[in-house]
Amino acid sequence: GQQLNQSPQSMFIQEGEDVSMNCTSSSIFNTWLWYKQDPGEGPVLLIALYKAGELTSNGRLTAQFGITRKDSFLNISASIPSDVGIYFCAGQLSRSQGNLIFGKGTKLSVKP
Amino acid sequence: DAMVIQNPRYQVTQFGKPVTLSCSQTLNHNVMYWYQQKSSQAPKLLFHYYDKDFNNEADTPDNFQSRRPNTSFCFLDIRSPGLGDAAMYLCATSRDLGGNEQFFGPGTRLTVL
Repeated sequence: GQQLNQSPQSMFIQEGEDVSMNCTSSSIFNTWLWYKQDPGEGPVLLIALYKAGELTSNGRLTAQFGITRKDSFLNISASIPSDVGIYFCAGQLSRSQGNLIFGKGTKLSVKP
Repeated sequence: DAMVIQNPRYQVTQFGKPVTLSCSQTLNHNVMYWYQQKSSQAPKLLFHYYDKDFNNEADTPDNFQSRRPNTSFCFLDIRSPGLGDAAMYLCATSRDLGGNEQFFGPGTRLTVL
C-alpha cells in the first residue's frame, strides 16, 4: 500500500528552538494535512495544503506542499512547552478519495 | 462551536461481548470516518460513509460494522471484541471526500478484558 515516510521519528529540543519535520512519498498527493495529537486525545488539524508549492502559516507553524507533490514539511518556530505531542502528516491521493494516508508521526519533547 | 463528539470517552467490555461506540457531529459534513489507533501508531481507516453510502476498507475485519442513521450520527459496532481490538477509536468528518480537511473527535479508548 501507499506509504508516507515521516522524519524524524522523535525530537528532543530546548524551549525557544525551531523545529522542522517532513514527510516524503514515492506517490503524488493531492492534499497534505498536518495534525498534532496529545495523549488520550484525537488529532487536531494544524494546517491543510492543497496546491503544489503552497506555503501556509498558522501562528508559529509553517507548512509547505512540495513542488513535486511528493513531500511536505512543517516548521515550528520558537517552541514552547505546550508544543509537546505527536505530529502526524497525512496525505490524500486524489479528490475522489477521502482516505488519509498517515505518516508514523514525530514525537516532540520540549525541555523548559 | 461546531464539533465532533464521541461517547463514551472510555469503554470497557468483556471478550466477545458486543460493544457500540457513537459519534455525532454538528458540522453538517457529508462524510464520516472511523479510524482505529493502537498505541504509538498512526490512525488506520476502518470505513467511511459518504452520506448514506458505506465504504469499507479491504482489510477491515468483518467483526467491525457501522451504521449511520442520519447525517449527524454514526456508530461503530464491534460484534465480538477480541483482546487485539483494544485501541483508541477515532471518528472524523469532512465536508466532502478528497481535497477537504478532516476533523477528528476526541476518541473512545476501548479496553477488552
